[in-house]
Amino acid sequence: AQSVSQHNHHVILSEAASLELGCNYSYGGTVNLFWYVQYPGQHLQLLLKYFSGDPLVKGIKGFEAEFIKSKFSFNLRKPSVQWSDTAEYFCAVNGGKGSARQLTFGSGTQLTVLP
Amino acid sequence: GAVVSQHPSRVICKSGTSVKIECRSLDFQATTMFWYRQFPKQSLMLMATSNEGSKATYEQGVEKDKFLINHASLTLSTLTVTSAHPEDSSFYICSARRPGVQNSPLHFGNGTRLTVT
Repeated sequence: AQSVSQHNHHVILSEAASLELGCNYSYGGTVNLFWYVQYPGQHLQLLLKYFSGDPLVKGIKGFEAEFIKSKFSFNLRKPSVQWSDTAEYFCAVNGGKGSARQLTFGSGTQLTVLP
Repeated sequence: GAVVSQHPSRVICKSGTSVKIECRSLDFQATTMFWYRQFPKQSLMLMATSNEGSKATYEQGVEKDKFLINHASLTLSTLTVTSAHPEDSSFYICSARRPGVQNSPLHFGNGTRLTVT
């Protein structure tokens, strides 16, 4: 079975601070990796995804994530956060093949950016 | 442990039949639940918001008559795929948030893999 772990439930930063949200997964095979964001009062949006190729993935709004296979990690980063980045962030893993493929979400990290 | 339970985890059905997927909140009452669908190698798409005691709110482009949502109790929402066709084959996932708790995380079910033959 696959699982996803997000270590920080709530992160509070000041504007312009750098951000790194941890995501670790457990699955022995090939995986697709995602980061989703949910802004207050809105629904999930895809920030970025990794399927194959360059392990450093760039997404929308200046976010990026690095897939480190040896560490089973897919941490989300942003060099300088803004107040508008206040939201909930979810890491997700899609492992397995064919009909066994399953999408598993982490428990989420609430990011609060102080102006 | 899991706080949102989804059943079944996998279902195979014949074209033309209907399939019901259940989403239960295990230790809290969810007045709102969300249903998503994931297409192969694509991101999750919100299909509808299920509201207890009232009609579901569907996203643009989602057929209400095909994807019937019933939120009959505070702990159960069901998604019924009616007259399923092979193009309905997908991964369906529900989520709910514990109400009244500040910064309560969004809890996801484990999803249902639907294959229509």
